Amino acid sequence: DTGVSQDPRHKITKRGQNVTFRCDPISEHNRLYWYRQTLGQGPEFLTYFQNEAQLEKSRLLSDRFSAERPKGSFSTLEIQRTEQGDSAMYLCASSLFANTQYFGPGTRLTVL
Amino acid sequence: QQPVQSPQAVILREGEDAVINCSSSKALYSVHWYRQKHGEAPVFLMILLKGGEQKGHDKISASFNEKKQQSSLYLTASQLSYSGTYFCGTEPQGGSEKLVFGKGTKLTVNP
Repeated sequence: DTGVSQDPRHKITKRGQNVTFRCDPISEHNRLYWYRQTLGQGPEFLTYFQNEAQLEKSRLLSDRFSAERPKGSFSTLEIQRTEQGDSAMYLCASSLFANTQYFGPGTRLTVL
Repeated sequence: QQPVQSPQAVILREGEDAVINCSSSKALYSVHWYRQKHGEAPVFLMILLKGGEQKGHDKISASFNEKKQQSSLYLTASQLSYSGTYFCGTEPQGGSEKLVFGKGTKLTVNP
């Protein structure tokens, strides 16, 4: 399967803990996006990379959130000091430049 | 600004048609349509670029009226597999290349 993959698929954590998610994009895609989706809403943009450069971050991305794409391939999204409001599905998507974005299966985060 | 989708939900019988609308207050460069089934990732359906084109994919087609900043998704002779939530993602003209998604339209197709 050469689609976008995300790991883990589910994460349950206690408030105040740090969590890290990984996204592996489609291999030839140079752009990688992170979105957050809550129940009954569409995906909300968090940040995106072109190769290893982080080009834009949403206001939603507080200083507790950090994303990296060190070698322009996979990316990680870390949330520090998690809060219950961080509970959501975190989606990753990739594209070849500004074309169609293909989504991964997501990581469902539950903060207790 | 988040695009507005209508209706919020629609229930069809297999074989019926439906139209889902997406409206933005900003001038748009493109509109992207996705379908998401419960617990799954959004699946790309089609992209419409500035130019007022209409596209089709099997019995699903879409139009984009750039003057009105509106797009419509047409589902013809619906099948059970069409059930899911449909999202439009809009890309503004001359601005960021990120997509802003609507809240979605939940489509249920019954036998």
